[in-house]
Amino acid sequence: DAGVTQSPTHLIKTRGQQVTLRCSPISGHKSVSWYQQVLGQGPQFIFQYYEKEERGRGNFPDRFSARQFPNYSSELNVNALLLGDSALYLCASGITGGGPGYTFGSGTRLTVV
Amino acid sequence: AQRVTQPEKLLSVFKGAPVELKCNYSYSGSPELFWYVQYSRQRLQLLLRHISRESIKGFTADLNKGETSFHLKKPFAQEEDSAMYYCALSGTSYGKLTFGQGTILTVHP
Repeated sequence: DAGVTQSPTHLIKTRGQQVTLRCSPISGHKSVSWYQQVLGQGPQFIFQYYEKEERGRGNFPDRFSARQFPNYSSELNVNALLLGDSALYLCASGITGGGPGYTFGSGTRLTVV
Repeated sequence: AQRVTQPEKLLSVFKGAPVELKCNYSYSGSPELFWYVQYSRQRLQLLLRHISRESIKGFTADLNKGETSFHLKKPFAQEEDSAMYYCALSGTSYGKLTFGQGTILTVHP
């Protein structure tokens, strides 16, 4: 059984561009959460989706958006990229929407130049 | 507001020595506390959670609500324990995890 898969693994974008990151949860998992991990810091919560609805949002600007599809996969979109958006973006999936113990993917390394 | 503090960025011990990774939290309600571990070139993985009160790989952690701490302990460290360890809290927001900044544990032979 595949774990949480994220694509792409690495990405380089220019300031002002837009980026879409993708996540496929573990089969049977209905919850997906997104985290941003800047070098040297712990992951920071961005969004949680459960059953295709947004259930939680962290302290991130409106340039960040996400959605969850009927097959429970998810996309994270970031518009008008800034240098400070350079980070590892982690996706985590869970069976339910509450109570973590989530399984994390390997992440997408985004570099904004 | 919820906050997790891991006061030690780096921790070095010798093989066979006891190890304790400190975690303090700030949260007004009843939190769920977790320890996650990230070995070199691997993904973040759950090590243990306080409500299950289990021991994983010889590690234990006890939630002390009076001291608002959730320290991770192991009586005899092994070289394979070398990794980045994150303490995390789940509180008010549905499914949200708040992470500490992490502690890099190095176990020397």
